[in-house]
Amino acid sequence: KAGVTQTPRYLIKTRGQQVTLSCSPISGHRSVSWYQQTPGQGLQFLFEYFSETQRNKGNFPGRFSGRQFSNSRSEMNVSTLELGDSALYLCASSLEGGPSSYNEQFFGPGTRLTVL
Amino acid sequence: AQTVTQSQPEMSVQEAETVTLSCTYDTSENNYYLFWYKQPPSRQMILVIRQEAYKQQNATENRFSVNFQKAAKSFSLKISDSQLGDTAMYFCAFMKPFSNDYKLSFGAGTTVTVRA
Repeated sequence: KAGVTQTPRYLIKTRGQQVTLSCSPISGHRSVSWYQQTPGQGLQFLFEYFSETQRNKGNFPGRFSGRQFSNSRSEMNVSTLELGDSALYLCASSLEGGPSSYNEQFFGPGTRLTVL
Repeated sequence: AQTVTQSQPEMSVQEAETVTLSCTYDTSENNYYLFWYKQPPSRQMILVIRQEAYKQQNATENRFSVNFQKAAKSFSLKISDSQLGDTAMYFCAFMKPFSNDYKLSFGAGTTVTVRA
């Protein structure tokens, strides 16, 4: 089975631009979570999607948004980029999770975003 | 909110020796899961070991074992017979399972370097 894939792997943008990152979960997985990793703030939870619905959201400004498609693929969007948005963005997928079950989260290799 | 604290930013160990990483956490929950994740320089986050809070027996996975002290809210990881491939950043993480708050809360990480 293929693992979690994220595209692109590297991205360079300038302040004020917007960016879209993509995550394809493991086949059959319906939950997709996004995390931001920075040297200063560490790993922080952005949001989680299950069956095309945002089920949980972290403490990030509204510039950060996401969505999930019917095939469970997910995208996250950051508008009006700031220098502080430079980070490694990690996506993780699991079978379900949530109130009915625990399932292990499998991480993708991440997208390294640099904002100049 | 749950907080996870890793007080050792860096650890160095000789190949074949043993190293122990510390983690403490703060929660009012009684049922939760704790994890150790490994992130090598390739950036792929990999689950090392999981502990359910309701289980008194400490989890083990080959050369990796934990010392879970629920009352003290402590969760340390022991790596025995260290190998060069163990060089990575290690994150302690907390999750409240079976809830809509389905996310991992991570500590700041400990960089482990295994010396030949």
